[in-house]
Amino acid sequence: GNSVTQMEGPVTLSEEAFLTINCTYTATGYPSLFWYVQYPGEGLQLLLKATKADDKGSNKGFEATYRKETTSFHLEKGSVQVSDSAVYFCALSLAGGYQKVTFGIGTKLQVIP
Amino acid sequence: NAGVTQTPKFQVLKTGQSMTLQCAQDMNHNSMYWYRQDPGMGLRLIYYSASEGTTDKGEVPNGYNVSRLNKREFSLRLESAAPSQTSVYFCASRGVQETQYFGPGTRLLVL
Repeated sequence: GNSVTQMEGPVTLSEEAFLTINCTYTATGYPSLFWYVQYPGEGLQLLLKATKADDKGSNKGFEATYRKETTSFHLEKGSVQVSDSAVYFCALSLAGGYQKVTFGIGTKLQVIP
Repeated sequence: NAGVTQTPKFQVLKTGQSMTLQCAQDMNHNSMYWYRQDPGMGLRLIYYSASEGTTDKGEVPNGYNVSRLNKREFSLRLESAAPSQTSVYFCASRGVQETQYFGPGTRLLVL
């Protein structure tokens, strides 16, 4: 079956540090890949996505590249801010049907001033 | 344009009580979903509805029922609440693109 693996954290960084959150996946077929972010007390919202191999998704300074050869979609940001403190979910979706989304367990990021 | 709304925001139930979680979306999306979020387990799909008039089970449907009342509304019912159903419940919708849009969540505590 399909699965997404990411570390649970928490990941604690100082402001302006470089961020990497690893995500690897297992899927039958060719999935689309997503990063969702959940701020405290809120629902998830899409951060970025990539729909095919070698695509790079980017938004708000975050980037992730769809690597088919390593089945990975690692999230990176060059300089984090306190406002980036949140839980980050990697997810995949396969086309067709109702498009079930498989989520990772979420990685909590804490950025300290 | 409110997106996806959920009521209530918080609820405390006693074991055996029933309740309905309400969800509505104003984006004219066909597909709607109910998830539960538990520590260390991410989001797990309870039920989904690919279109008005259809519903199907997800990964963890036991103890829940759903109703797709119309295109906008998708409710989740707990007939006899159990402590194992203590969780945060999220409703989501999806249109022709692959992105899901989530509501703010309902925090449920079953004593």
